Amino acid sequence: KQEVTQIPAALSVPEGENLVLNCSFTDSAIYNLQWFRQDPGKGLTSLLLIQSSQREQTSGRLNASLDKSSGRSTLYIAASQPGDSATYLCAVSGYSTLTFGKGTMLLVSP
Amino acid sequence: EAQVTQNPRYLITVTGKKLTVTCSQNMNHEYMSWYRQDPGLGLRQIYYSMNVEVTDKGDVPEGYKVSRKEKRNFPLILESPSPNQTSLYFCASSINPGGRTDTQYFGPGTRLTVL
Repeated sequence: KQEVTQIPAALSVPEGENLVLNCSFTDSAIYNLQWFRQDPGKGLTSLLLIQSSQREQTSGRLNASLDKSSGRSTLYIAASQPGDSATYLCAVSGYSTLTFGKGTMLLVSP
Repeated sequence: EAQVTQNPRYLITVTGKKLTVTCSQNMNHEYMSWYRQDPGLGLRQIYYSMNVEVTDKGDVPEGYKVSRKEKRNFPLILESPSPNQTSLYFCASSINPGGRTDTQYFGPGTRLTVL
């Protein structure tokens, strides 16, 4: 059964720092890997989707990489801002379902 | 606007009183799914549907029922709710199962409290 782990569970940084969130998964037979953002008590917003044949995707200040063979992905956030404060979830797509990690709670202080 | 809607957004009920949480999507997606989110446990899949009249169990299906009579709707039914079903519930949809080629779109969530 696929398991997804995210490290760290929580992260607090001052505004302007570059940061990296980590995601690992146990079964490399995935269709894609997705990063979501969740604000407290709210739904999930898709940030980036990396197909299994791709190595990375970029959107604005966000860059996600995927190393399928080693079962790892990273989400890089450049020049962090207080508005980036949220929980970031990693999810891998199998045949019929998405399996989620438990998330990294990010706090960016002014 | 492309979206997944859920109703109600908040619900407080008592043990044993049947309830239904509705989910609707306007993107003509084949695949729909229900998740529950609990502190320390993350998001776990309850049921999913590959297409109309096709549903299957996820990781935590006990105590829940679903139906998919039309493509756009995928209601979640709790026949006899219990306190351990207190949770935040999300409905999601995508073109392909599990979001194989595209992302899953999530509804805003339904916060359920069972007393």
